[in-house]
Amino acid sequence: SAVISQKPSRDICQRGTSLTIQCQVDSQVTMMFWYRQQPGQSLTLIATANQGSEATYESGFVIDKFPISRPNLTFSTLTVSNMSPEDSSIYLCSARDSTDTQYFGPGTRLTVL
Amino acid sequence: KNQVEQSPQSLIILEGKNCTLQCNYTVSPFSNLRWYKQDTGRGPVSLTIMTFSENTKSNGRYTATLDADTKQSSLHITASQLSDSASYICVVRPRGSTLGRLYFGRGTQLTVWP
Repeated sequence: SAVISQKPSRDICQRGTSLTIQCQVDSQVTMMFWYRQQPGQSLTLIATANQGSEATYESGFVIDKFPISRPNLTFSTLTVSNMSPEDSSIYLCSARDSTDTQYFGPGTRLTVL
Repeated sequence: KNQVEQSPQSLIILEGKNCTLQCNYTVSPFSNLRWYKQDTGRGPVSLTIMTFSENTKSNGRYTATLDADTKQSSLHITASQLSDSASYICVVRPRGSTLGRLYFGRGTQLTVWP
């Protein structure tokens, strides 16, 4: 199985600033994803992080707002840019391995003031 | 429209009791259905996975059932423990999605009281 770690685990940020969340997987995975989970809501896929190329974004999410990098098979970052209070949420990194099992990180709880 | 609906939204039971959580989905065709447990402040952890042809899958005190004809699944928890307090999320993966898109329910928030 894969273990996913995220940094930071939580942060409180000012409006207009940016935050970069790091995701590290302890084993090789085929796919990596970023999700957002708002209170009482289901997980929403932001994008699929592609190694060495631009991420594939879901409808409603754009690269300028959520730039994503994946320089290698086990590491990815998500940046939340020019934050507003509406961006307050939990951001989850996820990865799928060769057995098609999907794992989730512990999440980053973001509060924007 | 592909959807996953879970019920109840929340549930409180006493320690040692059994409970059943429901999941109805419209995702079709579907590849597999998973139940995840999400503790507060943690990411979801997979409990069970069932493919189209499977009717039941157990993992300790957790037993999931699937009726692909009616597009319903349930998660049965026996002899509940305080540590079972968590959100339980039903997740359906459609067949043929090149990106492996998943459809998530909103979860059932289970609270086990001593």
